[in-house]
Formats: sequence, structure tokens, C-alpha cells
Amino acid sequence: NAGVMQNPRHLVRRRGQEARLRCSPVKGHSHVYWYRQLPEEGLKFMVYLQKENIIDESGMPKERFSAEFPKEGPSILRIQQVVRGDSAAYFCASSPIIPPNTEAFFGQGTRLTVV
Amino acid sequence: DQQVKQNSPSLSVQEGRISILNCDYTNSMFDYFLWYKKYPAEGPTFLISISSIKDKNEDGRFTVFLNKSAKHLSLHIVPSQPGDSAVYFCAVGGNEKLTFGTGTRLTIIP
Repeated sequence: NAGVMQNPRHLVRRRGQEARLRCSPVKGHSHVYWYRQLPEEGLKFMVYLQKENIIDESGMPKERFSAEFPKEGPSILRIQQVVRGDSAAYFCASSPIIPPNTEAFFGQGTRLTVV
Repeated sequence: DQQVKQNSPSLSVQEGRISILNCDYTNSMFDYFLWYKKYPAEGPTFLISISSIKDKNEDGRFTVFLNKSAKHLSLHIVPSQPGDSAVYFCAVGGNEKLTFGTGTRLTIIP
């Protein structure tokens, strides 16, 4: 019974490169959330997706960031032309139905370092 | 504009004593409240929750209290154990996403 799987666990990118972060939700979960944790800060909501739909992207920077959750395959958070300020831990969470009826389960995160 | 605040960034408690972590929120529309625990280099794990129709929920050593009029949430851990040392996040829900506080780092002193 696998939980939320994120890969890679660690990702190093040079400034200007692209970063792709993957998230496979708990089997049967159709709701995926991405959060970012900057050093010494809390978890900041980025985007909420259901299969093939972006429901709420109010926390996502307007430029360079995009997310998808296709019908088949994992959810992808894509950061184009990374900058040093993108260095953070990115966490994905999934839930079977919309909170607040149930808690979201988190993956172990991808730690992005931009050099 | 921080909707969820954890005003204590850190807390140290003697093993065996009670740990009390606090959380304040601003929006009275929130109706579901959760606590997550996070160890370094791991994702947050769900600990305990409470809905707005209750004012207390207990699970073993963990109890969450909700004061709706004060818009205040607290987590009590008793007795505290060394394995409880972690960062604790409160989270609130009422729409389609959870909004997290900035976390409190709890250290249990043996």
C-alpha cells in the first residue's frame, strides 16, 4: 500500500535550467496538492489539481511555474528557467475527496537546489 | 496576510511533562482543523484533526482543543516523549485547500 511517491528526492539545477518534479498520489486518490517550503518557513500552498484539471493555482507564481495532473501518470510540477530563489522543498499531497472531510497525505518531498 | 499563525517558532519541554502548541486563525469560515508533524527530510504526517462542531478531540497522548470564538486551536501532548521532537504544523480547511501555519519546533528534553 504505497503512499504518495515523489521523485527525485533531491534535484540540483543550474540557474536557467528546467526542473521537473513528479508526484504519484496514493492509489485511488484523485486530488493532488503541491506545497513549497522555503528555508525556515512554513508550507505554502501552490496548486490544487484533480485529474486533468487545475482547480486552484492561486499560490503558484505567474511565470515559469506550471503543473499538470494527466489522466494517466503522475502529477508534474515544472519550473522553467530556475533561479536561486526557487531552492526549496516541494511537497506533494493527495486525498481521496476534498478536504476538509479528510486529511491529505504527503510525500517525502523533493529538495530542489539551484546553483 | 497570514491567515494561520503559530506564534511560537520553538518550544522546549521536559520529558514526561505536557507540551502545548498553539495556533490562531483569522477566517471564521474555516471549519476543519488539523495538526501535522514533520521530521527533518521527511514529509508532514497527519496527527489529529477536529471539525468546527466539536471543541475537543482526543487520540491517545494527543488532544486538540478548538475555541471558535477566539479562533484558537491548540495541541496538547501528554506525557511528552523524546520521539515527539519534531516540527508541528497546524492546518485549517474550509474550502478546497489546506492553509498551514509556519510551524513550531518542539524539543523534548530527556
